[in-house]
Amino acid sequence: AQTVTQSQPEMSVQEAETVTLSCTYDTSESDYYLFWYKQPPSRQMILVIRQEAYKQQNATENRFSVNFQKAAKSFSLKISDSQLGDAAMYFCAYRSVGGSEKLVFGKGMKLTVNP
Amino acid sequence: DAGVIQSPRHEVTEMGQEVTLRCKPISGHNSLFWYRQTMMRGLELLIYFNNNVPIDDSGMPEDRFSAKMPNASFSTLKIQPSEPRDSAVYFCASSLHLTSGGYNEQFFGPGTRLTVL
Repeated sequence: AQTVTQSQPEMSVQEAETVTLSCTYDTSESDYYLFWYKQPPSRQMILVIRQEAYKQQNATENRFSVNFQKAAKSFSLKISDSQLGDAAMYFCAYRSVGGSEKLVFGKGMKLTVNP
Repeated sequence: DAGVIQSPRHEVTEMGQEVTLRCKPISGHNSLFWYRQTMMRGLELLIYFNNNVPIDDSGMPEDRFSAKMPNASFSTLKIQPSEPRDSAVYFCASSLHLTSGGYNEQFFGPGTRLTVL
């Protein structure tokens, strides 16, 4: 079974600074998807960014980018120019390609953005 | 598009009572997922359906939990009898699963916060 680990339960960053959230995972599959989800206090789950394992190029979405290290099974999220609206819980998630569609989530990390 | 609709948004009940949570997926989507979020266990899949058929129910905790999808536009998650440890946020999500493969995003509803006293 696949597992996702987020070892840092909380982090804080100053507004306009850069922060990196870490995630590791375990799988025996060679092809899969990895995701970062954001959950603000409204508790709505919002997809931030997606990475496909067969792609070597790291995904980027505006101020959000990932560092995907397949051999190390590491998937970190970098938030540049942090904004107050980035404050939320962030979840790393895994999904197989083919087979089960279920998302396997890490325990999450609370990000605080200080003005 | 209205997105995934869940009702109620909040539910407070007493131990032993039956609880029914409801979900309306995005129109046209053919996969529906029920997730539970607790402080202790985080977010975990309970069950998911494809074309109204349960595909993976390995996350359903025990016989007190049951889920149905009578048609493509409605699903229920029922807990009977409820217990305090069932207190959690329950999310429903839907996606368009393509038999040809490829990525299909799961869209989450706003969740139902259940409190069992």
